[in-house]
Amino acid sequence: DTAVSQTPKYLVTQMGNDKSIKCEQNLGHDTMYWYKQDSKKFLKIMFSYNNKELIINETVPNRFSPKSPDKAHLNLHINSLELGDSAVYFCASSSSGTGSYEQYFGPGTRLTVT
Amino acid sequence: GQQVMQIPQYQHVQEGEDFTTYCNSSTTLSNIQWYKQRPGGHPVFLIQLVKSGEVKKQKRLTFQFGEAKKNSSLHITATQTTDVGTYFCAVGAGGGNKLTFGTGTQLKVEL
Repeated sequence: DTAVSQTPKYLVTQMGNDKSIKCEQNLGHDTMYWYKQDSKKFLKIMFSYNNKELIINETVPNRFSPKSPDKAHLNLHINSLELGDSAVYFCASSSSGTGSYEQYFGPGTRLTVT
Repeated sequence: GQQVMQIPQYQHVQEGEDFTTYCNSSTTLSNIQWYKQRPGGHPVFLIQLVKSGEVKKQKRLTFQFGEAKKNSSLHITATQTTDVGTYFCAVGAGGGNKLTFGTGTQLKVEL
């Protein structure tokens, strides 16, 4: 059973389009994250939700809008895609309040904007 | 925001050689984690260090947390081709779940 899953795995689209990435975790965690990894492998947090509440919102263009319908799901919608949005987007989850901040990552979504 | 530097950025070794990556912070850390990302894969949690001077081992991997809790290292003894990947340290922000990832060290192991 996949712990953290993302769809789609690959996404190729043109500039100006709107796209969504979906994430689901079956670990019973209460916190979920979106990360962006650029071509140089830098991994940067974008958003985090705890029990459906947004708790981390880094300096991200407001074209990016996360939504968490429930604790097990976190989606990312991107409007008016730009070339610079090309990257691998990882979803992750963790459990708060345990003293261990271990995060479990999904397989990633490779977004290519042409 | 918090900055975490890792050195080296890249490392090529021959199989059987040792490898070390270092993680440095300008501020005192509450904890530090290490992750491994295989080529084309996703980051996978390796370990978490919390105590000053802590040393933990996982088979050929040795993790250390500095006495001042501002730096950490990951040492691999006798590297194998399965060790190929990018190793990241990640630091927590106080009691929260936010992690700031280091810049990563890409390890290549040649036969």
